[in-house]
Amino acid sequence: DQQVKQNSPSLSVQEGRISILNCDYTNSMFDYFLWYKKYPAEGPTFLISISSIKDKNEDGRFTVFLNKSAKHLSLHIVPSQPGDSAVYFCAEGGSEKLVFGKGTKLTVNP
Amino acid sequence: NAGVMQNPRHLVRRRGQEARLRCSPMKGHSHVYWYRQLPEEGLKFMVYLQKENIIDESGMPKERFSAEFPKEGPSILRIQQVVRGDSAAYFCASSLGRKNTEAFFGQGTRLTVV
Repeated sequence: DQQVKQNSPSLSVQEGRISILNCDYTNSMFDYFLWYKKYPAEGPTFLISISSIKDKNEDGRFTVFLNKSAKHLSLHIVPSQPGDSAVYFCAEGGSEKLVFGKGTKLTVNP
Repeated sequence: NAGVMQNPRHLVRRRGQEARLRCSPMKGHSHVYWYRQLPEEGLKFMVYLQKENIIDESGMPKERFSAEFPKEGPSILRIQQVVRGDSAAYFCASSLGRKNTEAFFGQGTRLTVV
């Protein structure tokens, strides 16, 4: 029973354009969300987070949007760069244990 | 300042053997988490430990799996009598406190059971 869902296994964008990665969740009690980036053969690296008291959090080229009524969040990367090519995981982290989605593989083409 | 160190990076075991995965947390970190990633899946929580204590093992299979984080030395995830379904990447993370944004992941151990 997947509580955090990333329905797009992959996404391909051109360098310089916007990348939008989506994530849905089912548990209305979830209140803190994180995005992780993972390169092959490496561990996940924390990217950005958002608390349910906010609907937007921005850090440089990365912005996360949260729509609580729709139980949906999205990660925007603009402008996208080839080095952003990786697997991106959405996770809920309100307790000690993270609940991860299955990930979306982003490919940024030069 | 070295990050979270996991070893070995790759481990091959025959069915029925034991697998021992080690995790040395970042210096000063006393909270350790183990996650497992099956092929084409996200990471799934297994166990959360503080020094000498298991805090939450709700994600651990009831049989064959155990974890420890002794006062001295690395955290160990032990899998007895491995089966093919145990083949996965096992990730360890450590943190200073309980807040997840402070958790740093190691590079993982890829276990292959043949």
